[in-house]
Amino acid sequence: EPEVTQTPSHQVTQMGQEVILRCVPISNHLYFYWYRQILGQKVEFLVSFYNNEISEKSEIFDDQFSVERPDGSNFTLKIRSTKLEDSAMYFCASSVNRVGTEAFFGQGTRLTVV
Amino acid sequence: AQRVTQPEKLLSVFKGAPVELKCNYSYSGSPELFWYVQYSRQRLQLLLRHISRESIKGFTADLNKGETSFHLKKPFAQEEDSAMYYCALRGPDTGGFKTIFGAGTRLFVKA
Repeated sequence: EPEVTQTPSHQVTQMGQEVILRCVPISNHLYFYWYRQILGQKVEFLVSFYNNEISEKSEIFDDQFSVERPDGSNFTLKIRSTKLEDSAMYFCASSVNRVGTEAFFGQGTRLTVV
Repeated sequence: AQRVTQPEKLLSVFKGAPVELKCNYSYSGSPELFWYVQYSRQRLQLLLRHISRESIKGFTADLNKGETSFHLKKPFAQEEDSAMYYCALRGPDTGGFKTIFGAGTRLFVKA
């Protein structure tokens, strides 16, 4: 069964550094998403991406965040200057967005900012 | 406002006991409702969706539009059901078909 894959599984970075989280969505999916989950808290929507542009973003997704689909397979989330409060589990998801279908999630990248 | 509410953070039951995980939602249109499960150290995975009215691993959930609820039920809990359960909704009004999650309920099934 096809899966969304994310790399790395765990990233430790120093405050102020840039990080790029990588995702390979399921190949025939057209909608891509990033979510985050701070330890002990709910899964929060960050951004949705369709047709090579952002279709919606949350208030969490400020100027420090950006997304890109640099080629036909990868979907990346960049945090320009990480803060301690960016420490969280980041999930990538993809979907086809037909009625009766759901988003498929990757296994997540745990980002730790020190 | 679009919102999913799961009032219980933790639910602990004995093996063989019935279980019900509550979910209420707030949405202006006609959403699709889902239950996702996250076993320890694993990814979020779909458990069931309201539109297919299926039963997965003995779990069922009925959409009650009058009460705006989508409670998850299982008549006899098993130890392997211990996990984090998230109720979620999705619909065109949410923008980009994003999925909105509840805070989650941790189910602990005791032997």
